[in-house]
Amino acid sequence: EDQVTQSPEALRLQEGESSSLNCSYTVSGLRGLFWYRQDPGKGPEFLFTLYSAGEEKEKERLKATLTKKESFLHITAPKPEDSATYLCAVSYNFNKFYFGSGTKLNVKP
Amino acid sequence: EAGVAQSPRYKIIEKRQSVAFWCNPISGHATLYWYQQILGQGPKLLIQFQNNGVVDDSQLPKDRFSAERLKGVDSTLKIQPAKLEDSAVYLCATKGLAGGGGQFFGPGTRLTVL
Repeated sequence: EDQVTQSPEALRLQEGESSSLNCSYTVSGLRGLFWYRQDPGKGPEFLFTLYSAGEEKEKERLKATLTKKESFLHITAPKPEDSATYLCAVSYNFNKFYFGSGTKLNVKP
Repeated sequence: EAGVAQSPRYKIIEKRQSVAFWCNPISGHATLYWYQQILGQGPKLLIQFQNNGVVDDSQLPKDRFSAERLKGVDSTLKIQPAKLEDSAVYLCATKGLAGGGGQFFGPGTRLTVL
C-alpha cells in the first residue's frame, strides 16, 4: 500500500502562473515530511522539512505547508528554471523515508 | 563541503552479468542509504547503514543484491546476476543529523540491463 501519494503527476504552467502541488500521506505518527527537487540526471536536492500541522517553510518562490493529512508546495510566479520533478517523502522515525512518485513541473517562458 | 560521490555514472551490462556501484558519503555522515529509482517513480529504499552496521535491508533482494560499508565510510552495492528489471538509477544518500533534516543524495548510477 502506497504511503505517499503526489498529485498531479505532471503540471505545465506558463511563467508567472502560480499553482500548488499536493502530497498526501496515509499513516499516522508522522515525525517529518520532506520536499525535494530532482533535475534530470541528478539526485534529489533537499528543500524543506515540515514537522507538525500548521507549519510553513519558504524558499524563494516556494512555500511548503503541512496539515494532518497532506502537504502543499505552493509555487508563486514560477520561472522556467523551476522546471523539475518535486518529490515528497515522509518519515516516522527520522531514519526511514517513504517517497512519493513525484510531480513533474514544466514552466514555459 | 563536498557532496556525495558515486561511480560509475552510467553502466550497461547484459542480463546475468554482475555489476558494482560505489558511494563516498559526506564526511562525518553516519547514516548511508542505497535507493533504487525506476523511471517515473520515487526512490525506493534498498538498504540503510548506520556507521558500518545494517539498520534496514528488508527490501533488498538478497538473492542477487549485496551491500557493504567499509569502516563506516565508503559503500558498495553489488548485483549478481542482473535481471532486466534491475534497470534503474541507483542513488546513494547520506544523513548527518540525528533528528530531522533531509538526506543528501549523490548523482546516481544509471544501470541499463540488456
